[in-house]
Amino acid sequence: KNQVEQSPQSLIILEGKNCTLQCNYTVSPFSNLRWYKQDTGRGPVSLTIMTFSENTKSNGRYTATLDADTKQSSLHITASQLSDSASYICVVTSGGSYIPTFGRGTSLIVHP
Amino acid sequence: DVKVTQSSRYLVKRTGEKVFLECVQDMDHENMFWYRQDPGLGLRLIYFSYDVKMKEKGDIPEGYSVSREKKERFSLILESASTNQTSMYLCASSPSRNSPLHFGNGTRLTVT
Repeated sequence: KNQVEQSPQSLIILEGKNCTLQCNYTVSPFSNLRWYKQDTGRGPVSLTIMTFSENTKSNGRYTATLDADTKQSSLHITASQLSDSASYICVVTSGGSYIPTFGRGTSLIVHP
Repeated sequence: DVKVTQSSRYLVKRTGEKVFLECVQDMDHENMFWYRQDPGLGLRLIYFSYDVKMKEKGDIPEGYSVSREKKERFSLILESASTNQTSMYLCASSPSRNSPLHFGNGTRLTVT
């Protein structure tokens, strides 16, 4: 069964600090992996997509990595801001499927 | 920008009522999805549709039905609402299998 596991479940950091969120998956065959950001009271929004051949991709202060061999991805947030407080969801799509597999998310709180 | 609009942000219904949740997207997307989101459980797929009048069950279809008479509109129906259907309901659309999901801002349904 396809599964996506995220850690930690929640994280509290001070403004300006960096943090890294983890995602492990067992989805097969792998097509792509996305990180979504969900602000409180809003729907998730795609931050970045990783395909099999990509190791690292940046979107501003967000950097995603993918290790297809170990089936792990991380999302690194640099110089955190209060607006980074949100839930971050790892989503993996398998080849030929309409249905992505969602992780349960990491809740990030950035304190001033 | 893609816009996915859910008809209500908050809804309170009584046990046994028939409930309709409406979702409209404005980008001619083929695929539409209904999820529910509960604390600690993440997003779980209820139903999805990859074409007009087509529907497929997701992971938790029991107690729900859907309707897609027009491409832009996907409705979720709770035939007889129960308290365990109190949840946040999120609608999403995408143009193809490997495209990101575009989410609405959700309907928070409370069944009393």
